[in-house]
Amino acid sequence: SAVISQKPSRDICQRGTSLTIQCQVDSQVTMMFWYRQQPGQSLTLIATANQGSEATYESGFVIDKFPISRPNLTFSTLTVSNMSPEDSSIYLCSVVTGVGGYGYTFGSGTRLTVV
Amino acid sequence: SQQGEEDPQALSIQEGENATMNCSYKTSINNLQWYRQNSGRGLVHLILIRSNEREKHSGRLRVTLDTSKKSSSLLITASRAADTASYFCATEGNDMRFGAGTRLTVKP
Repeated sequence: SAVISQKPSRDICQRGTSLTIQCQVDSQVTMMFWYRQQPGQSLTLIATANQGSEATYESGFVIDKFPISRPNLTFSTLTVSNMSPEDSSIYLCSVVTGVGGYGYTFGSGTRLTVV
Repeated sequence: SQQGEEDPQALSIQEGENATMNCSYKTSINNLQWYRQNSGRGLVHLILIRSNEREKHSGRLRVTLDTSKKSSSLLITASRAADTASYFCATEGNDMRFGAGTRLTVKP
């Protein structure tokens, strides 16, 4: 299965600033997914990132707040823009692995605290 | 890393029937969540049940949690072909761990 390197693993940021999270996959994948997990909450899908096209955002998430880049089939970034304390969460990238398109691999996560 | 074990690993039913999937885990948890994954797509959150809850409903979904047996079940009633997907349980304790999933096929 794929191996994903995600960084940074954690950061403490001032409100109003932006943070870019990177995910590097050791193999080419068509789609990458970005999730957010707020404290005590479930994993929530933010967007699906396809190479060569704009990301597809889930309800409640917009490109201006969470711009995503997908320059090639092994790399993606998620930026959390104009941060507020409500953005404090764990952010994870994921790719689909496994037979038939089922199954997945997660990055190790980025624990973001906004102060 | 995986903690939960779902059973069955695969389930095939006819449209209109009910589907029951089970999940067992090993450590103490704060909550348990169920997710659906359609082929080639990301995980979609279905329902979260906290450790002090025993049962929860959401539409055609019913989730139970038995912390004494460290197990949970997901029941989908009146299944539809669109319910065809893999279903995963995830436990949140000190960290978040996913099971290997149950692949559900609903035949029209």
